[in-house]
Amino acid sequence: EPEVTQTPSHQVTQMGQEVILRCVPISNHLYFYWYRQILGQKVEFLVSFYNNEISEKSEIFDDQFSVERPDGSNFTLKIRSTKLEDSAMYFCASSDAVRSGNTIYFGEGSWLTVV
Amino acid sequence: DAKTTQPNSMESNEEEPVHLPCNHSTISGTDYIHWYRQLPSQGPEYVIHGLTSNVNNRMASLAIAEDRKSSTLILHRATLRDAAVYYCILRVPRGTSYGKLTFGQGTILTVHP
Repeated sequence: EPEVTQTPSHQVTQMGQEVILRCVPISNHLYFYWYRQILGQKVEFLVSFYNNEISEKSEIFDDQFSVERPDGSNFTLKIRSTKLEDSAMYFCASSDAVRSGNTIYFGEGSWLTVV
Repeated sequence: DAKTTQPNSMESNEEEPVHLPCNHSTISGTDYIHWYRQLPSQGPEYVIHGLTSNVNNRMASLAIAEDRKSSTLILHRATLRDAAVYYCILRVPRGTSYGKLTFGQGTILTVHP
């Protein structure tokens, strides 16, 4: 079954450093998302992306965050200057359409630890 | 977003049916009811969805109340691999917000051997 793949699975970074989390969505999907989950808390929506632009973003997704689809297969989340509170599991997701019954497929996640 | 209410936790024995309830009294007429689950250390996984009629797939069944104010996810024979957090989520049918899933705390399902 097709799947969303994410790299790295775990990254440790120093506060203030830039981090790029990478995702390869399912190949025929057109809609891409990032979610995050702080340890012990709910899964939170960050951003959705379609047709090379952000279609919606949450309050969490401030100027420190950016997303990009640099080529036909990758989708990245960049955090420019990481803070301790950015430590979380980041999930990439994709879907083939924005329909009432479409499924959103999630990757296994990238665990980010900011020290 | 319309709100859903789920029990914090439930327990089941292996190979027994499990009924996971969800209340959504403020659901609008066009909101779809989706269920996702999250196994330990994994990303959320789609389980099933429906609008008005009961639905079955290979993973589970979804029973939707006639007034749509509640629904029940049914796992017909729980296995140890079904131990996860189960999320009941309402989704609007169209628009840019459609891709956004709003997760609650979900129900932690424990399955005993």
